[in-house]
Amino acid sequence: GAGVSQSPSNKVTEKGKDVELRCDPISGHTALYWYRQSLGQGLEFLIYFQGNSAPDKSGLPSDRFSAERTGGSVSTLTIQRTQQEDSAVYLCASSSQTGGNQPQHFGDGTRLSIL
Amino acid sequence: AQSVTQPDIHITVSEGASLELRCNYSYGATPYLFWYVQSPGQGLQLLLKYFSGDTLVQGIKGFEAEFKRSQSSFNLRKPSVHWSDAAEYFCAVALNAGNMLTFGGGTRLMVKP
Repeated sequence: GAGVSQSPSNKVTEKGKDVELRCDPISGHTALYWYRQSLGQGLEFLIYFQGNSAPDKSGLPSDRFSAERTGGSVSTLTIQRTQQEDSAVYLCASSSQTGGNQPQHFGDGTRLSIL
Repeated sequence: AQSVTQPDIHITVSEGASLELRCNYSYGATPYLFWYVQSPGQGLQLLLKYFSGDTLVQGIKGFEAEFKRSQSSFNLRKPSVHWSDAAEYFCAVALNAGNMLTFGGGTRLMVKP
């Protein structure tokens, strides 16, 4: 597609449930990033995938958070046993590493609300 | 650890007036610098970026930014603001173009008619 696509755009779930958020990056982009945007913490890095390398998980806030990227394209961010503090907008971005100096392009995000 | 500071949480300007949004970073070397804009309910759109070379960079929508190494600043400017510029603006830095971004807290711009 023309841009980074994220689904669902909104998700409301009960505390304790698991959720999966999907990101479809720009075709041909080898790097994929997840960020979280919340009122209290601003924009925070979560995890970074680059090609076939092991992901950089240094930003994941707890072991309830995990992400995978299948076939070097689509990525899924999973939050297990959701808590109210997980309520936030989850943003995905991708970039092309082939040419160097390539900035990140963002999707519109998934707004997650934990009841 | 690197950090980014946007001192102004809110700014209100009149339509047609000039605009300057401040950004200061803390990092041992010159990082890659970015400005993004976010309209309500949308993701982040890249306005401009600085990697090296000319310290005055031009972006989309008539925005420009100037990198000042001595002040560790990368302020965003626009000569004449339009009502459609009302949004939240984020300054960000990265170790290199491919690395994760560290964002400032954002500046919310309101435009008076």
